Order: sequence, then C-alpha cells, then structure tokens
Amino acid sequence: QQQVKQSPQSLIVQKGGISIINCAYENTAFDYFPWYQQFPGKGPALLIAIRPDVSEKKEGRFTISFNKSAKQFSLHIMDSQPGDSATYFCAASGRIGANNLFFGTGTRLTVIP
Amino acid sequence: NAGVTQTPKFQVLKTGQSMTLQCAQDMNHNSMYWYRQDPGMGLRLIYYSASEGTTDKGEVPNGYNVSRLNKREFSLRLESAAPSQTSVYFCASRVDRGPGDGYTFGSGTRLTVV
Repeated sequence: QQQVKQSPQSLIVQKGGISIINCAYENTAFDYFPWYQQFPGKGPALLIAIRPDVSEKKEGRFTISFNKSAKQFSLHIMDSQPGDSATYFCAASGRIGANNLFFGTGTRLTVIP
Repeated sequence: NAGVTQTPKFQVLKTGQSMTLQCAQDMNHNSMYWYRQDPGMGLRLIYYSASEGTTDKGEVPNGYNVSRLNKREFSLRLESAAPSQTSVYFCASRVDRGPGDGYTFGSGTRLTVV
C-alpha cells in the first residue's frame, strides 16, 4: 500500500513556467514532509521540507504548499529552468521509530528551453 | 565531505551469483538504510539499522541480508542473485530526530542480473 501518492508521473514545462507536483497521504501521524531532487546517476538529495504547523515554505524558486485538512502537499517550482530537469520525490515521515520515511513514486520533470 | 559512499557503482551478475554492496558514512549517523529504486515504483526500503548492532526488515527484504558492521558501515548481501533484483540500490543515513531530519543518500549501485 502506497503511503504517499504522487502525481503526475511525468511533467514537461517550458522554461520560465511553473512546475507543480502534488502529493497526498493518509496517515495523520506524519509530521515532516520533505521533497527530494534526483539527477540522473545520482542519489536523491533533500531539496526542501515542511512541518504541518505552517501552510507554506519558500526557498528561492521552490515552494511547498501544505493543506493539513486535505492531507495534501505540493511542490511549486517558479521560473522553471532546464537545470531543474530531474526526478522529484515527495515523502512523509512520522516521529515513531527509525523506519519512518515513506516516498512517493516520483515525478520526472523536463524543462524545455 | 564524503557523506555516504557506496561501492561498487556498477555490477553485472549472473543468476545465482552472490555479492555484497558496501556502504559507509562519515557523519556519525545512527540510522542507516538500504533502498532499491525501480522505474515507476519510487524508492522501496529493503532493510534498515536504527543503531549499531540492530537491523530490521523493510518493505522488500526477501532475497537480501544485511550487516551493520559498525556505526559507519552497513552492507547489503545478495546470496543468490535473481533477475528480479536488477535495480539501482541506494544506501542512506539519517541524523537523529531534530531540525535536520533529512536523509543523506549515496550515489547508488546499478546492479544488473542476467
């Protein structure tokens, strides 16, 4: 059972456009929602993360929007650049135990020049 | 600034062969993890180790064994490789709960079983 559902599976955006990736979860025990960015041939790297006490977090061109009541969160990439082309994973984590990070299935983003 | 180091980067095995994937971290993290990544399936947890001397099964442990050799090293062993184990394997470590909850991943081992 997929703990975190992610969409779309792939996304093509023009340079300068906005990329939006959506995720949903069911477990209300989750209290940490990171996004990972993965370039080909590399491991995932933490991009940005949010806790449920805020509805939005912005770091540069990357913004997480969080809707606690709907149990949904999304990543917005403003002014998308070709260098943003990568696979993005959302994830959710809870406080209990060490095995507490659950990944979405990933979104392959391609930004066209 | 090594972070998490995995070896080898690439490997081709014949069905039935065995091998060990090595992972080491230099960040003094307690928890370490092995994931496999397959197209359209994201990252799935194979085994993890919450601390030195302990290991636990993740979502897809069948066909694998692990050893937490010490705090730094966490190895993954395939005793009898099968084509279904063709995948990209990632090791990760995690700082204990705190402001920096992020996992640090290695660069992966691309394994092909023929």
